Amino acid sequence: QSVLTQPPSASGTPGQRVTISCSGSSSNIGSNTVNWYQQLPGTAPKLLIYSNSQRPSGVPDRFSGSKSGTSASLAISGLQSEDEADYYCAAWDDSLNGHWVFGGGTKLTVL
Amino acid sequence: QVQLQESGPGLVKPSQTLSLTCTVSGGSISSGSYYWSWIRQPAGKGLEWIGRLHTSGSTNCNPSLKSRVTISVDTSKNQFSLKLSSVTAADTAVYYCARGVGIYWGQGTLVTVSS
Repeated sequence: QSVLTQPPSASGTPGQRVTISCSGSSSNIGSNTVNWYQQLPGTAPKLLIYSNSQRPSGVPDRFSGSKSGTSASLAISGLQSEDEADYYCAAWDDSLNGHWVFGGGTKLTVL
Repeated sequence: QVQLQESGPGLVKPSQTLSLTCTVSGGSISSGSYYWSWIRQPAGKGLEWIGRLHTSGSTNCNPSLKSRVTISVDTSKNQFSLKLSSVTAADTAVYYCARGVGIYWGQGTLVTVSS
């Protein structure tokens, strides 16, 4: 059972906008920033969003992140077939001397 | 461009100690103020943060693994290492090393715990 809660699956058609939610608590999302990762099969996770809404260089602006209270969201607009992947949220948790926690992941299917 | 590469045995027997090394290239592991992390992922499951080491030498570990985890650094080899003791089948996973939990990750190495 992951500390951060994500829906196990999401789907959309090409061109559509899809959002993935990530729910946490006051000790993690409520007091720290959120990262989002994209993981293609057989590869290492790739950082998509950091500090809630910032994109690393090279990440298309179709990907955007937001945070409100103890929840965060990743939005993908103009959905493309290559966006089919697993997506994970992560945040620092202040409890128990501090540690990183991840969501269980959301499998995005492009129909 | 920082690159990380995990190395170590792909098969470990139950109750033994899993030992992995991450070799960093493209920059000194001891320069700057960075965390060097270990993360794992069982097949078909999500990511689990194991722990991290700061360039100052301080460490943080996942509370659920803390009693079994040791993370250390060898600056002369530009490497940092993970030791996980008393392993069971539940420790079978792909193990990643990373700089923090940001842009730079290794490709991952599969470690299977089996007799």
